[in-house]
Amino acid sequence: GESVGLHLPTLSVQEGDNSIINCAYSNSASDYFIWYKQESGKGPQFIIDIRSNMDKRQGQRVTVLLNKTVKHLSLQIAATQPGDSAVYFCAERNPNDMRFGAGTRLTVKP
Amino acid sequence: ETGVTQSPTHLIKTRGQQVTLRCSSQSGHNTVSWYQQALGQGPQFIFQYYREEENGRGNFPPRFSGLQFPNYSSELNVNALELDDSALYLCASSLPNMNTEAFFGQGTRLTVV
Repeated sequence: GESVGLHLPTLSVQEGDNSIINCAYSNSASDYFIWYKQESGKGPQFIIDIRSNMDKRQGQRVTVLLNKTVKHLSLQIAATQPGDSAVYFCAERNPNDMRFGAGTRLTVKP
Repeated sequence: ETGVTQSPTHLIKTRGQQVTLRCSSQSGHNTVSWYQQALGQGPQFIFQYYREEENGRGNFPPRFSGLQFPNYSSELNVNALELDDSALYLCASSLPNMNTEAFFGQGTRLTVV
């Protein structure tokens, strides 16, 4: 079946380094993707989105890259801070549902 | 703060009981969707409501049902609770255009004993 999945379940980085979180999707018709951050005990928080007509989108300290050829998404976080420690999900939004991957836990070491 | 509020925040129920969870959507958002998130997993789509009608459903049995009201708030009802229904239940609101972000509430932690 079609799914959204993540390459790595955990990622540990040093404070100040850049982080890269990857995500693969299998539905070539997917048109819109969102990255969410979820801290313990809270609901997912919108970080950044990208539409399929774009390859790259930048926000504040975050960049999302979309490679439609290999159906791959990545989230880059610049100068990672302790407050970035959380679980990150990519999500594929469709007309009548939204599907999530299992998530990547990012831990930032001081 | 997303403007999406859920109640209650925590709930303990006994197997076989019924539960109702509530969600108030962000102002102006007329589409509400519900998700079940088991510990250590990503959210799983349950269903979506638009203009008081269900317009999308995930792989959940009929004992999971919902409502949306004219003010766009929503309820999730689960009958005949099972132990495996223990999870964080998330509500998200959005505009009906699929190319817009969905904003989540803080969730309701349901424990079935």
